[in-house]
Amino acid sequence: AQSVAQPEDQVNVAEGNPLTVKCTYSVSGNPYLFWYVQYPNRGLQFLLKYITGDNLVKGSYGFEAEFNKSQTSFHLKKPSALVSDSALYFCAVRDYNFNKFYFGSGTKLNVKP
Amino acid sequence: KAGVTQTPRYLIKTRGQQVTLSCSPISGHRSVSWYQQTPGQGLQFLFEYFSETQRNKGNFPGRFSGRQFSNSRSEMNVSTLELGDSALYLCASSLEAGATTDTQYFGPGTRLTVL
Repeated sequence: AQSVAQPEDQVNVAEGNPLTVKCTYSVSGNPYLFWYVQYPNRGLQFLLKYITGDNLVKGSYGFEAEFNKSQTSFHLKKPSALVSDSALYFCAVRDYNFNKFYFGSGTKLNVKP
Repeated sequence: KAGVTQTPRYLIKTRGQQVTLSCSPISGHRSVSWYQQTPGQGLQFLFEYFSETQRNKGNFPGRFSGRQFSNSRSEMNVSTLELGDSALYLCASSLEAGATTDTQYFGPGTRLTVL
């Protein structure tokens, strides 16, 4: 079965420090991986995706994600966190066979000034 | 280009009533998916429509239904509302169904409260 796990419910980081939000996946076949961010009372905003190619994917707002096939991980990173990055982050995988998106449970990122 | 729009943004209903939510996808997008988001269950897939046909369905009871029109706009209906149906309902659109590299773009959601 396809699945995505976000092992941390919450991540706390100080402004200016690097941040990492973790995601691991389980799929049969090639993984198609996505990161989304959700601000309060808003829908999900697309950040970046991995389809194929370079393991380091760059996305919106300075975010990037590192795909690691051997560890089945797709961690979201940013070199220097901003208070405005505080939000709920979702990792997702698309199932090639059944064409569904599977979302992780979400990680709340708190960036403190 | 305008994003995905959902109406209404907020809705309050009582148990036993029915409700219809509307979604207009990004211009040119032909696939529309619906999700239910709750604090306890997270994001759960409801169904996906493409070219007025339901292509995929999640594990929700038959009280949840949807349809898509020829202009790609979609509606979802929930009949005989239960307290547990209180949630944020999100609509997402993408260019094509079946294209695994497609990105889904989400609307702001409809917050449904069932009293």
